Amino acid sequence: EDKVVQSPLSLVVHEGDTVTLNCSYEVTNFRSLLWYKQEKKAPTFLFMLTSSGIEKKSGRLSSILDKKELFSILNITATQTGDSAVYLCAVMIYNQGGKLIFGQGTELSVKP
Amino acid sequence: DTGVSQNPRHKITKRGQNVTFRCDPISEHNRLYWYRQTLGQGPEFLTYFQNEAQLEKSRLLSDRFSAERPKGSFSTLEIQRTEQGDSAMYLCASSSYRGDEQFFGPGTRLTVL
Repeated sequence: EDKVVQSPLSLVVHEGDTVTLNCSYEVTNFRSLLWYKQEKKAPTFLFMLTSSGIEKKSGRLSSILDKKELFSILNITATQTGDSAVYLCAVMIYNQGGKLIFGQGTELSVKP
Repeated sequence: DTGVSQNPRHKITKRGQNVTFRCDPISEHNRLYWYRQTLGQGPEFLTYFQNEAQLEKSRLLSDRFSAERPKGSFSTLEIQRTEQGDSAMYLCASSSYRGDEQFFGPGTRLTVL
């Protein structure tokens, strides 16, 4: 059965800290891996990764994929209270129409 | 606003009642997805449409659930004879035919009493 596992499930840090969120997967016919940020509303798209070793970056957020070891990390540097959210990792499978298989999420809390 | 919209945003119903939710995708998007999310979990796939064709349904989608996208634009998700276990956030997402990024709507939070 296809599965996506995120760790840690929750994390509390102080403003200015750097955090690393982990996502591992076991799926057949991997197509891409996506990261979303979810505050108390719908998930908002952050990154899509399809190739190993190529870092995607947006401001203080960056992400990379390792297709050999079947994991991805999301880094957030110089965290701010506005980064507090649930971060979701999802994997898309070939030939299944774009269905996303989500992990359970990492709840990040950034304290002032 | 050109994002994905969902109505209603909240629905409270009594067990055994039928409910219907609506999703309006981003206008040029051919693909539309329904997911269900319970507290503390990631979204779970329910079904998806390419234009008006429903191409896949999860085994989570019991026979009490039905979804339609009659003209390839908006979609409806109906739950018949609701049960307390149906209480969840129902999320709709859309994507273009070629793009992989799915853009989510604000969701409909269903509470079954």
